[in-house]
Amino acid sequence: AQKVTQAQTEISVVEKEDVTLDCVYETRDTTYYLFWYKQPPSGELVFLIRRNSFDEQNEISGRYSWNFQKSTSSFNFTITASQVVDSAVYFCALSESGTGANNLFFGTGTRLTVIP
Amino acid sequence: NAGVMQNPRHLVRRRGQEARLRCSPMKGHSHVYWYRQLPEEGLKFMVYLQKENIIDESGMPKERFSAEFPKEGPSILRIQQVVRGDSAAYFCASSPPRQGGLETQYFGPGTRLLVL
Repeated sequence: AQKVTQAQTEISVVEKEDVTLDCVYETRDTTYYLFWYKQPPSGELVFLIRRNSFDEQNEISGRYSWNFQKSTSSFNFTITASQVVDSAVYFCALSESGTGANNLFFGTGTRLTVIP
Repeated sequence: NAGVMQNPRHLVRRRGQEARLRCSPMKGHSHVYWYRQLPEEGLKFMVYLQKENIIDESGMPKERFSAEFPKEGPSILRIQQVVRGDSAAYFCASSPPRQGGLETQYFGPGTRLLVL
């Protein structure tokens, strides 16, 4: 069965520190997709990144970077030089191609607080 | 290009009343998904619809909940005879038609339902 685990419930960092949010997943599919979404205090969900299981290249987008490692079933998210605006709940999600339904399985989220 | 729109943003109902939540997908998107987020939890998939078709409703409670996506107009999530346990944030997401692979889901701002 599919499962997404975000073991860190809450993290606090001081502004300008780097922070890594962990995500570990379980799936029996060989083809699957991983996502990160951000939920700021205003409540909406903002899409950050999508990665398919065949592409293990790490990705960098500004201060954000993602480390996908199939060997450990992890898809970790690092924010460098954190800012107060990064304060939010971050969700990792998994979708299996075999479901045919395209639904996302979400982790329970990590609440990040960046202290000025 | 407007994003996914949901209304109302906040809805208060008394036990036993009906709740209707609306979702207009992004322009060009023909797939709609509904998710529920209970307080302090991740999102849970409820239902996946295309125009005039329910593709997967495996996450929908068996009673009181229904969803539709008519040929014209928004998708509607309907909850009859609401109970306090229905209090949650309900998110709608949309994606374009699949073209050989999974398409990213983009989320609306959510509807916060409070049942008194």
